[in-house]
Amino acid sequence: EPEVTQTPSHQVTQMGQEVILRCVPISNHLYFYWYRQILGQKVEFLVSFYNNEISEKSEIFDDQFSVERPDGSNFTLKIRSTKLEDSAMYFCASSPRHSGLSGANVLTFGAGSRLTVL
Amino acid sequence: KQEVTQIPAALSVPEGENLVLNCSFTDSAIYNLQWFRQDPGKGLTSLLLIQSSQREQTSGRLNASLDKSSGRSTLYIAASQPGDSATYLCAVIGDSSASKIIFGSGTRLSIRP
Repeated sequence: EPEVTQTPSHQVTQMGQEVILRCVPISNHLYFYWYRQILGQKVEFLVSFYNNEISEKSEIFDDQFSVERPDGSNFTLKIRSTKLEDSAMYFCASSPRHSGLSGANVLTFGAGSRLTVL
Repeated sequence: KQEVTQIPAALSVPEGENLVLNCSFTDSAIYNLQWFRQDPGKGLTSLLLIQSSQREQTSGRLNASLDKSSGRSTLYIAASQPGDSATYLCAVIGDSSASKIIFGSGTRLSIRP
């Protein structure tokens, strides 16, 4: 069964360092997403991406964050200067279509990348 | 703004029991509702998706129902097993923002052998 794969599974970094989290979405999917889950809290939406541009972003997704699809297969999340509060599990997801166009739009999630900022 | 609530936050039952997990949402204008399973430290596994035009979906021992008008969904697990122990998350994709899922905080389920 097709999977969304994420690397690294766990990254430890010092505060202020740049971090890039990588995702390989399912190959025929068109929509891509990043979510995060701070330990003990809800899974929160960060950003959605379609046709090489951000389609929606949350208040969390400030100027420290950026996303990119550099080569047609990878989808990356960059945090420019990490803060302690960026420590979380980051989930990538992809879907074949936009929910507004069809009733059935299953998002497939990756296993997550755990980021620990010291 | 869509809010998704799951009650109870935690549930412990003996093996073999049937159980129901509850999810409520404030904005009934939704496209889909999806139930996920999350094992400790792991990713999110999609269990069932109910489209807004549907009232229920079944997969094996799992049955999810949707009542849009009352803003509620339930996940029924039949003949529970220790392997069902996990956190179960309810999530909706709403009319107001079709590009993102809004998650509940989950119900942590423990099945006692």
